[in-house]
Amino acid sequence: SYELTQSPSVSVSPGQTARITCSGDALPLKYVYWYQQKSGQAPLLVIYEDTERPPGIPERFSGSSSGTVATLTISGAQLDDEGDYYCYSMDSSGNESVFGPGTKVTVL
Amino acid sequence: QVHLQQTGAGRLKSSETLSLTCSISGGSFNNFHGSWVRQAPGKGLEWIGEITHNGTINYTPSLKSRVTISVDASKSQFSLRVTSVTVADTAMYYCARGAGLWGQGTQVTVSP
Repeated sequence: SYELTQSPSVSVSPGQTARITCSGDALPLKYVYWYQQKSGQAPLLVIYEDTERPPGIPERFSGSSSGTVATLTISGAQLDDEGDYYCYSMDSSGNESVFGPGTKVTVL
Repeated sequence: QVHLQQTGAGRLKSSETLSLTCSISGGSFNNFHGSWVRQAPGKGLEWIGEITHNGTINYTPSLKSRVTISVDASKSQFSLRVTSVTVADTAMYYCARGAGLWGQGTQVTVSP
């Protein structure tokens, strides 16, 4: 079955830039979506279709994708940005979707 | 404003069938795309399956033999069934419409 890979954790100081990567063989063909999840809450979509930001998501969240690697960037990270971040995409056939294992972001 | 409301039993015993329903209110059911996702305690998100805009249903390979996703457009609902549950199926289950709209989650606990 298809898999996405993410680094387990990222630490950043407030105001600095955090970058979270997601790797997958089908990423050149399929969009990536990024979710933020805080403890006890449902996931929140922060980036869709590689680069698009939903209404209400701060501009400090941005996405990019090149080849088999997609990146979520948090520019000027804030304490409120702490949480787990998951990438989501599908295999090349479009029949199987999958979440990455998640990246824990710590702002301190 | 579109809202997803999940209903269904939260406590099951091994070998029973899990049944959850996601009711959608406040929006059109046309071109509907719905997914089910679960999260075991302390673990990451796991995609279970989906029903796409054209009615195609896809499942994650590891659960395909036990999972059924269905839709009742007349009631603006879609449902999840998982047969022969075990303790390993204990998780928070979420429904989602499209990519950005999620239900509140249903904690499902399976006892031996």
